[in-house]
Amino acid sequence: GQQVMQIPQYQHVQEGEDFTTYCNSSTTLSNIQWYKQRPGGHPVFLIQLVKSGEVKKQKRLTFQFGEAKKNSSLHITATQTTDVGTYFCAGHRTGTASKLTFGTGTRLQVTL
Amino acid sequence: GAGVSQSPRYKVAKRGQDVALRCDPISGHVSLFWYQQALGQGPEFLTYFQNEAQLDKSGLPSDRFFAERPEGSVSTLKIQRTQQEDSAVYLCASSFGTIGGVNQPQHFGDGTRLSIL
Repeated sequence: GQQVMQIPQYQHVQEGEDFTTYCNSSTTLSNIQWYKQRPGGHPVFLIQLVKSGEVKKQKRLTFQFGEAKKNSSLHITATQTTDVGTYFCAGHRTGTASKLTFGTGTRLQVTL
Repeated sequence: GAGVSQSPRYKVAKRGQDVALRCDPISGHVSLFWYQQALGQGPEFLTYFQNEAQLDKSGLPSDRFFAERPEGSVSTLKIQRTQQEDSAVYLCASSFGTIGGVNQPQHFGDGTRLSIL
């Protein structure tokens, strides 16, 4: 079945450092969505990318969707303690409108 | 509030008991999803409704799991004869579905943490 892997599994940075998580799917995706889940919370939608090679920015966050629509990345510039949480990518396999497959997640810890 | 509401927040049951988990989606959202999230892992898709129709139940782990959304709004996930491996957080999400061929973002509830003793 479809698998979506993320690396790293966990990263600990000091406030002000940059952070990147990478997402790789075993199958081509029609879109990629990114969610953030704070400890004890629920996933919260951040952004969706649809086009091959698409790049979107949200303040300090930069999201990319690969040319082959099988991988994606999230880069955070100058992390803050409010960035703490687990970041999940999630995608719909081409041709399946309903089933959203989540990645394994990257847990980010930020300390002062 | 205007978000997805799930109840109960916590449920403890003995192995073999039946449980029912409720989800009240955002008003107007036609699509409703159930996920199972084990500790330290990403949400795993269970089933999907468009209005009252269950269009995809490929993620349900066994025939002990049953979901319904009879009037196209509130949904219930039922687990019969619970087993210890059913212990997890069950998340419900809703969305506007697909608009212009683009899947719309899913809005999640706080989940029900189910513990089977």
